[in-house]
Amino acid sequence: AQKITQTQPGMFVQEKEAVTLDCTYDTSDPSYGLFWYKQPSSGEMIFLIYQGSYDQQNATEGRYSLNFQKARKSANLVISASQLGDSAMYFCAMRDRNYGQNFVFGPGTRLSVLP
Amino acid sequence: NAGVTQTPKFQVLKTGQSMTLQCAQDMNHEYMSWYRQDPGMGLRLIHYSVGAGITDQGEVPNGYNVSRSTTEDFPLRLLSAAPSQTSVYFCASSSRTGGVKAEAFFGQGTRLTVV
Repeated sequence: AQKITQTQPGMFVQEKEAVTLDCTYDTSDPSYGLFWYKQPSSGEMIFLIYQGSYDQQNATEGRYSLNFQKARKSANLVISASQLGDSAMYFCAMRDRNYGQNFVFGPGTRLSVLP
Repeated sequence: NAGVTQTPKFQVLKTGQSMTLQCAQDMNHEYMSWYRQDPGMGLRLIHYSVGAGITDQGEVPNGYNVSRSTTEDFPLRLLSAAPSQTSVYFCASSSRTGGVKAEAFFGQGTRLTVV
C-alpha cells in the first residue's frame, strides 16, 4: 500500500510569513497524484491543491504552492503570506490502487498562525 | 449542490449498541469510502467501494460493515459499539472518470462517542 509521512505534528508561523509543511510518500506507481487538504477547527475537509507526477511545473493555487521533488518523493506545501485563518490541520493524501484508488492520508500537521 | 451528506453529526452510544451512519452523494461518483480520524493518526480507511454492489476492506475494517446497493448511498454499520470506536467518522466520494487528479469530496463528519 501507499504510505504518506508528515513528520511535523505541529508548526508555528508568524502572520504574513511563509511556511512549508512537509510530505513524503512511497509508491511504486509510475502515475500518481498528491493532494493537500485543510481541516479547520470546524472540522470540514477542504481541498487545497493537487500535483500530478507527470506535471511539468509545480502546482500553484493562490497563496498555496507545492514544492514537488519527484526523485525525493516529496510534495511539500508552501503557504505564502500566512493569515490567521490558515490555522488548521493540513493533510497530504494520494490515491492507492490497493484500495480501489480511494485515498490514503498522512497523519497531518497542525499549523498555528501567530498574530 | 448537496455534495456528500453525512448523518448524524453527533452520536453517543452505549457499549454493545449498534447503529448506522448514513452517507449519500449526488455527484454520481463511483468511488466512496469511510474514514475514521483519531488524534495523531490522520484519516484511516475503514471500508471502500468502487461502484454499486462492490465493497472491500480498508486499513481498519474490524467492527464495521458496509453495503452499496445504489451509486448514491454508502452506509456504515457499527455492529456492537466499543469505546475504541470513539472517533470522528468521514464519508468521502470521488470520480473515477476524473482520473488520478479527481479530488475527494467529504461529508461534514460524525463525532461518535461510545461510553
